[in-house]
Amino acid sequence: NAGVMQNPRHLVRRRGQEARLRCSPMKGHSHVYWYRQLPEEGLKFMVYLQKENIIDESGMPKERFSAEFPKEGPSILRIQQVVRGDSAAYFCASSSSRGETDTQYFGPGTRLTVL
Amino acid sequence: TQLLEQSPQFLSIQEGENLTVYCNSSSVFSSLQWYRQEPGEGPVLLVTVVTGGEVKKLKRLTFQFGDARKDSSLHITAAQPGDTGLYLCAYSGAGSYQLTFGKGTKLSVIP
Repeated sequence: NAGVMQNPRHLVRRRGQEARLRCSPMKGHSHVYWYRQLPEEGLKFMVYLQKENIIDESGMPKERFSAEFPKEGPSILRIQQVVRGDSAAYFCASSSSRGETDTQYFGPGTRLTVL
Repeated sequence: TQLLEQSPQFLSIQEGENLTVYCNSSSVFSSLQWYRQEPGEGPVLLVTVVTGGEVKKLKRLTFQFGDARKDSSLHITAAQPGDTGLYLCAYSGAGSYQLTFGKGTKLSVIP
């Protein structure tokens, strides 16, 4: 399966712990996007990355959230000191190039539950 | 950010029935996309509509883009249980990669 891969699929954390969500883009894709889907809400853009660069993090909360896409390995979305309001499904998407006409392919998501 | 309103929010129908769901806005879009998201999975792109008045068909699914490019509809003929899922419309602004989604219509097709 050459699709976007995310792991873990489910993650449970207690308040104050750290959550690390991983995303491997489709083969040949160098553009990664993270979205968050809160209960009863639509998908919201969080951040757009290319290899070793954060291009746009305008949708990321200012504190506790960070993202990276290293030269080697998957993209990581890191949430420090999680709170219950962070409980959501986090989706990664990838595309082969930037642009409004380029299709973003979504992964299956990581469902984060904060106890 | 332009707002996308989807209706109905929930829809439960019997297998074999027809249905239409809507995506509306007061803004004009260069294009709109429709996705289906099955439980526990990520959204999958179904279609992109670009031209006002455009109609696209995908098997039993018919997508229409309004003449004024402010709204879109999705019609499903003879719904099947496999059509169950969350139907999302989305747009990306001119020159933008950010997808903005509506809240979706949650469809349940009962066998």
